Amino acid sequence: GEKVEQHQSTLSVREGDSAVINCTYTDTASSYFPWYKQEAGKSLHFVIDIRSNVDRKQSQRLTVLLDKKAKRFSLHITATQPEDSAIYFCAASMANSAGNKLTFGIGTRVLVRP
Amino acid sequence: ETAVFQTPNYHVTQVGNEVSFNCKQTLGHDTMYWYKQDSKKLLKIMFSYNNKQLIVNETVPRRFSPQSSDKAHLNLRIKSVEPEDSAVYLCASSSRDWGYEQYFGPGTRLTVL
Repeated sequence: GEKVEQHQSTLSVREGDSAVINCTYTDTASSYFPWYKQEAGKSLHFVIDIRSNVDRKQSQRLTVLLDKKAKRFSLHITATQPEDSAIYFCAASMANSAGNKLTFGIGTRVLVRP
Repeated sequence: ETAVFQTPNYHVTQVGNEVSFNCKQTLGHDTMYWYKQDSKKLLKIMFSYNNKQLIVNETVPRRFSPQSSDKAHLNLRIKSVEPEDSAVYLCASSSRDWGYEQYFGPGTRLTVL
């Protein structure tokens, strides 16, 4: 089955700097890659996603890049703010997977320092 | 605004007991899920349920069983809990017709003594 690796367990950045979180996946059939955010004591919240028919997607301060050849995708957060502090999970699934099954990475804890 | 509701928030029980968790979504979604998040924050899919079709993750022990009365409700029953079942159980829903985005509930924290 699919395996998603998230390579940084923690990431500390200064407020206003950029943060980059990297993930890799194993199954070439994966075609949907969402990112979720979990703030302390709260549940998961969708932040952005990308499908395999594009290699870049931007939403305000968030950009997702997808390199299908390397089976790698990344989340870029620009102009970080204190409220960006959270655990970020990457995930992957196949478009035709039964029940839209997501395989998650282990999460990257992002700390934005003042 | 919460659209996926879970009860209870917390549950403490002893090994061997049976527990049941409830989940309701008001988004009109066709698909619902149960995830387990362990103490290291690792998230694993347990079940997904699309209308009347249940998709089971083969790694889930048989003491876990989902129960659905309609597409807005997906409960989780655990027969004879074990210490390794201590975790946060997250319910989620999504529409297969758009976006694949999943909406998560607040979770139920289970502690097995």
